[in-house]
Amino acid sequence: GEDVEQSLFLSVREGDSSVINCTYTDSSSTYLYWYKQEPGAGLQLLTYIFSNMDMKQDQRLTVLLNKKDKHLSLRIADTQTGDSAIYFCAESLPNAGNNRKLIWGLGTSLAVNP
Amino acid sequence: DGGITQSPKYLFRKEGQNVTLSCEQNLNHDAMYWYRQDPGQGLRLIYYSQIVNDFQKGDIAEGYSVSREKKESFPLTVTSAQKNPTAFYLCASSPQGTQLAFFGQGTRLTVV
Repeated sequence: GEDVEQSLFLSVREGDSSVINCTYTDSSSTYLYWYKQEPGAGLQLLTYIFSNMDMKQDQRLTVLLNKKDKHLSLRIADTQTGDSAIYFCAESLPNAGNNRKLIWGLGTSLAVNP
Repeated sequence: DGGITQSPKYLFRKEGQNVTLSCEQNLNHDAMYWYRQDPGQGLRLIYYSQIVNDFQKGDIAEGYSVSREKKESFPLTVTSAQKNPTAFYLCASSPQGTQLAFFGQGTRLTVV
C-alpha cells in the first residue's frame, strides 16, 4: 500500500536538536522529501534524499534514511524559534503512464519554546 | 524573480457560486498541480497537468475543474457541485521528470 506516517506534534527548547520521524510503506520510492510550511503559507522544499543514500547533510539539516525499516528522519540542529512550522514528509512513487506521484504524510507540527 | 503566484490570497463566496482560483508560474515548469489542505488531513491532490492542453484527475477531483491552455497558467474552478469547498488551496509546479515541487502561497477559500 501507499502510506506515509508522521507523528503529529513535537515540542523542543530553543537551541536543542529536533528529530522529526517519518515511516513509509512502499519500497519502490525513489526520492523522499522534506517540506516546511509556515502558518498561512505554501510549502517550501527543505531537502530531499535519493533512495540509495543513507544520509544527507545540508547546514543545520541532516536527513537519515533506513531503507530496510522504511524510516526517514529529519534532524534540525540548534533549533530556533523560526523553525516553528509544520514539516511534511513525502515519497515519490511510480504512477500511471510513466509518471510519478507524491504521497504525503499528514505533517508534524514543530513548536520551539524559548 | 521566478516563482509561482496564486491569487487571491483570501476568497469569500456564497454557497452555490462557482469560483476560479488563479495559479501562474514563470519557472518554465512543465508540470502543475492543485492540492487541497484541510486541518489534520495533509495535502490531497485535486488535479495535475504534465503538459499543456492535458490534465488528469487526482484523488479528489469531484466538484472541481481545471484548464491548461498555457504552460504558465493552471486555473482551478471550484464548482457548486463541490460539497465542502471551504479549504486552503495550494498550487505547485515541477520541472519535467522530477517531483521537486515548488508551491505558491495558497488561497484560502471560504464559502458562506
